[in-house]
Amino acid sequence: QQQVKQSPQSLIVQKGGISIINCAYENTAFDYFPWYQQFPGKGPALLIAIRPDVSEKKEGRFTISFNKSAKQFSLHIMDSQPGDSATYFCAASMRSGGFKTIFGAGTRLFVKA
Amino acid sequence: GAVVSQHPSWVICKSGTSVKIECRSLDFQATTMFWYRQFPKQSLMLMATSNEGSKATYEQGVEKDKFLINHASLTLSTLTVTSAHPEDSSFYICSARDRTNYGYTFGSGTRLTVV
Repeated sequence: QQQVKQSPQSLIVQKGGISIINCAYENTAFDYFPWYQQFPGKGPALLIAIRPDVSEKKEGRFTISFNKSAKQFSLHIMDSQPGDSATYFCAASMRSGGFKTIFGAGTRLFVKA
Repeated sequence: GAVVSQHPSWVICKSGTSVKIECRSLDFQATTMFWYRQFPKQSLMLMATSNEGSKATYEQGVEKDKFLINHASLTLSTLTVTSAHPEDSSFYICSARDRTNYGYTFGSGTRLTVV
């Protein structure tokens, strides 16, 4: 119930291409879905987040698509750049759960120059 | 934007000693802070939720006597790894919630190596 399943585990994309990472959740009580970017040896940094009352959110080259009925959400990185190479984590949290965040397993993205 | 400062960024200690890691919210008040542990190439595992002025809530399987958490003020939470052993070597990360919204800010992490 508390799990957030993330795929793929790793992803290689050509520079300029679109990177797509998918996540699925079970608990319908989750009400906040952030994506984090993490570089080696650093803490995660919030990239973009969405609430379940919105189906899509775009910030620059990053877009979250949210499908409430399917309990799935995805991150699209347009015009992927080598500097985007990092590990990406989807997550879910809920107000009723004390706001604690459950993380997906992570996707290691490598963008080839 | 919200900033969370975590210190030290790395520490090496001998088995049996204790290590304290600090997590400070620099420009906002954090009623709740979270402590995570991350093994190489793995996800973040929540260890405990730290609430200002009250006892921390530990996740199942986390030894509260080994990982002491103190959240004495709205801007500071500390994690003390007591009687550290090599298996405690890991990357520890804190995060703080700005109570004005849902947003979380993570610290830069602490690499603990126990020798």
